[in-house]
Amino acid sequence: SQKIEQNSEALNIQEGKTATLTCNYTNYSPAYLQWYRQDPGRGPVFLLLIRENEKEKRKERLKVTFDTTLKQSLFHITASQPADSATYLCALVAYSSASKIIFGSGTRLSIRP
Amino acid sequence: DTGVSQNPRHKITKRGQNVTFRCDPISEHNRLYWYRQTLGQGPEFLTYFQNEAQLEKSRLLSDRFSAERPKGSFSTLEIQRTEQGDSAMYLCASSLGTSERTDTQYFGPGTRLTVL
Repeated sequence: SQKIEQNSEALNIQEGKTATLTCNYTNYSPAYLQWYRQDPGRGPVFLLLIRENEKEKRKERLKVTFDTTLKQSLFHITASQPADSATYLCALVAYSSASKIIFGSGTRLSIRP
Repeated sequence: DTGVSQNPRHKITKRGQNVTFRCDPISEHNRLYWYRQTLGQGPEFLTYFQNEAQLEKSRLLSDRFSAERPKGSFSTLEIQRTEQGDSAMYLCASSLGTSERTDTQYFGPGTRLTVL
């Protein structure tokens, strides 16, 4: 069956360090992959999109990698700040349904001062 | 602020009652999506509209659920004969609809439904 897996346990790191979040998927052929941020009681906010033929994408302190052989994406936040504390969602769009986004369950990130 | 608004923000109802939620997308966006999110899970796709046409529905959308977008602008999601299992956050998103594969979806704040 199709699965998207993210670290179910919360990730706690020290301010200034790099946070790395993992997204693994099985039985999908994603056209592209997205990362969202979600704060409590709010809707997800789009951060980055990476296509299947791209290895890496960067935006300010954010970096995403996409390995279609390993079926894995890594999301990095460098020089992390307490304001980066949130839940981060990985999402796939498959070739079979171009407009339907399939979300992972998210990883909660806490940055301590 | 993404520009997508949803009303009400919270709804408490008794089992068996009908509820209706409204979503107002960003004005120039052609596509509108509904998702459901339960605690500790990511959003689950329910349905989406291209203008006023409902193009895809999830199996999660049972007969008790219906969505409309009559003039291609705002949308409503109605749940009839609510059950306790319907308790969740209902999220709406919209997108421009210019690119099938790389369309960015902008989410609203959601409507939290509690069924007693």
